[in-house]
Amino acid sequence: AQSVTQLDSQVPVFEEAPVELRCNYSSSVSVYLFWYVQYPNQGLQLLLKYLSGSTLVKGINGFEAEFNKSQTSFHLRKPSVHISDTAEYFCAVSEPGSNYKLTFGKGTLLTVNP
Amino acid sequence: DTGVSQDPRHKITKRGQNVTFRCDPISEHNRLYWYRQTLGQGPEFLTYFQNEAQLEKSRLLSDRFSAERPKGSFSTLEIQRTEQGDSAMYLCASSPAENYGYTFGSGTRLTVV
Repeated sequence: AQSVTQLDSQVPVFEEAPVELRCNYSSSVSVYLFWYVQYPNQGLQLLLKYLSGSTLVKGINGFEAEFNKSQTSFHLRKPSVHISDTAEYFCAVSEPGSNYKLTFGKGTLLTVNP
Repeated sequence: DTGVSQDPRHKITKRGQNVTFRCDPISEHNRLYWYRQTLGQGPEFLTYFQNEAQLEKSRLLSDRFSAERPKGSFSTLEIQRTEQGDSAMYLCASSPAENYGYTFGSGTRLTVV
């Protein structure tokens, strides 16, 4: 069975600093990988996804992630964060043939301080 | 495209009562998903519809839970005899055929007292 581990439950950073949110997955087959953002009392918004091709994926709001198959990781990065990036971030995995359903990690709360 | 709508946004109910939530997906999306998110956790898959057919149910979906999607349009999720452990955010998402273009609704937050 597939699973997702988000290694940090909370990440505090200062505005304009770089940030990396870590995600590792376990699966016995090829996977598709996703990062979602959730603002308070809202649904989830897709930041980026890896389905195939280049392992460096660029998403919205200046975020990017790199798929590393050997380390089974899909870490999310942003070179310079803003106050408005404060939110909960979820990494998710899906397997081919799974009806496109997603398995999520527990989330990482990113808090950007002035 | 008005997005995925969920109603109500918040529901407080007494233990033992029945509750029903509604989800209106994006009109051209034939796939519809329900997820449950408890405090401090990521969303967990509950069930999936393709058009009006319910094709998959998680073992999390006990016999107190039932979901429908009549005519392949809106969907309802009913919880009978609610328990305090049912308190969670219930998220609905829809997507077009054969891809991962999920759009999530804002969710229904259920509190069972």
